[in-house]
Amino acid sequence: ETVMTQSPATLSVSPGERATLSCRASQSISSNLAWYQQQPGQAPRLLIYDASTRATGIPARFSGSGSGTEFTLTISSLQSEDFAIYYCQQYNDWPPMYTFGQGTKLEIK
Amino acid sequence: EVQLLESGGGLVQPGGSLRLSCEASGFTFSRFDMSWVRQAPGKGPEWVSVISGGRGTTYYADSVKGRFTISRDNSRDTLSLQMSSLTVEDTAVYYCAKALGNNWRYSFDQWGQGTLVTVSS
Repeated sequence: ETVMTQSPATLSVSPGERATLSCRASQSISSNLAWYQQQPGQAPRLLIYDASTRATGIPARFSGSGSGTEFTLTISSLQSEDFAIYYCQQYNDWPPMYTFGQGTKLEIK
Repeated sequence: EVQLLESGGGLVQPGGSLRLSCEASGFTFSRFDMSWVRQAPGKGPEWVSVISGGRGTTYYADSVKGRFTISRDNSRDTLSLQMSSLTVEDTAVYYCAKALGNNWRYSFDQWGQGTLVTVSS
């Protein structure tokens, strides 16, 4: 089972600034990585899949990069609605085993 | 508009059973693989099970294997999760989610609002 580790656990950033979130896989997962945003009391929302492809309707300020074991989610010019918890998820394992990171909480500085 | 509506959650005693359902609309249900994902209070999501759209091939997380059964009724656009031998560690919000991708390499692009399962005596 591939273990996903996110850092930092909490990130404090001011509105309008840039946020960089990291996700590391315990073994290579190629580009089989997704990022989700979760607001309190809501279901996760898919932001990025295949490491760098924005999902339908996701603003261009969200971008993903990386491959292998190291991945990054970048949010340029933070908006108030971007403060939430972010999770990464891998989908490379066989038999299928989809594992999530423990999350990064993005909070207002 | 894609909609996924879960139901069936509630309070159950340890060792008990519960059946969750998810009604899908807004897309051709039979064409897509579907999953259940759960989230314990204050924790990250945990994938539970996946089922293919056509043949109904299934896979499970080790934590639920042998206790949970995923199924689907494509004539009714409904996904189900039969849960048995429940323990307190199964307490979570259970989401049904639509799979995005190919060949079992899936992210999840649509989620329901979730249904809460509480296992407690």
